[in-house]
Amino acid sequence: QSALTQPRSVSGSPGQSVTISCTGTSSDVGGYNYVSWYQQHPGKAPKLMIYDVSKRPSGVPDRFSGSKSGNTASLTISGLQAEDEADYYCCSYAGSYMVFGGGTKLTVL
Amino acid sequence: QVQLVQSGAEVKKPGASVKVSCKVSGYTLTELSMHWVRQAPGKGLEWMGGFDPEDGETIYAQKFQGRVTMTEDTSTDTAYMELSSLRSEDTAVYYCAPRWGGSYQFDYWGQGTLVTVSS
Repeated sequence: QSALTQPRSVSGSPGQSVTISCTGTSSDVGGYNYVSWYQQHPGKAPKLMIYDVSKRPSGVPDRFSGSKSGNTASLTISGLQAEDEADYYCCSYAGSYMVFGGGTKLTVL
Repeated sequence: QVQLVQSGAEVKKPGASVKVSCKVSGYTLTELSMHWVRQAPGKGLEWMGGFDPEDGETIYAQKFQGRVTMTEDTSTDTAYMELSSLRSEDTAVYYCAPRWGGSYQFDYWGQGTLVTVSS
């Protein structure tokens, strides 16, 4: 039950696109299509942004998209906006268990 | 829409236990599989455990095995997480976050409960 690996930080200018990776193993990310992504602003509870690798909950802008290849999942945010600046966490089902990534701080320059 | 209201902040001494509650409304607890996630100050999210409907039992992360107990009172739609033998490293915000039966994500989160362990 090791944490998934995410870059500690990424940055981009308004209007640009950024991609956050999330690397696991064949026992979690690679073994199931149950990767979810969460956005967390300081002092707030996490918010679901993507589930089942690439599905968007109602109300989440289509600027947010998810994908997966092998043991690595990715979250892409296009058309960056100031309010996208936050921490992002991936999470994967791992056969009865759930495992989170270490989190990535997104800075909008 | 589900609403999750957690109990208030706690301050505990090392070695003590803490019990955090999570009151569900909008759905009944039996329709959900409740999980608990914690976040130490300045750190990331950490899954502690939750009910697995496929196995029909509560699964705990290895790290917390023997120290954590998750229970539910379906008469009041309230879930509980009790953590024992507290140490300073357990200082964190504890969140309840349910999964629906056939889902594998956390659509909703409680507001969080800060537990501070200090002598």
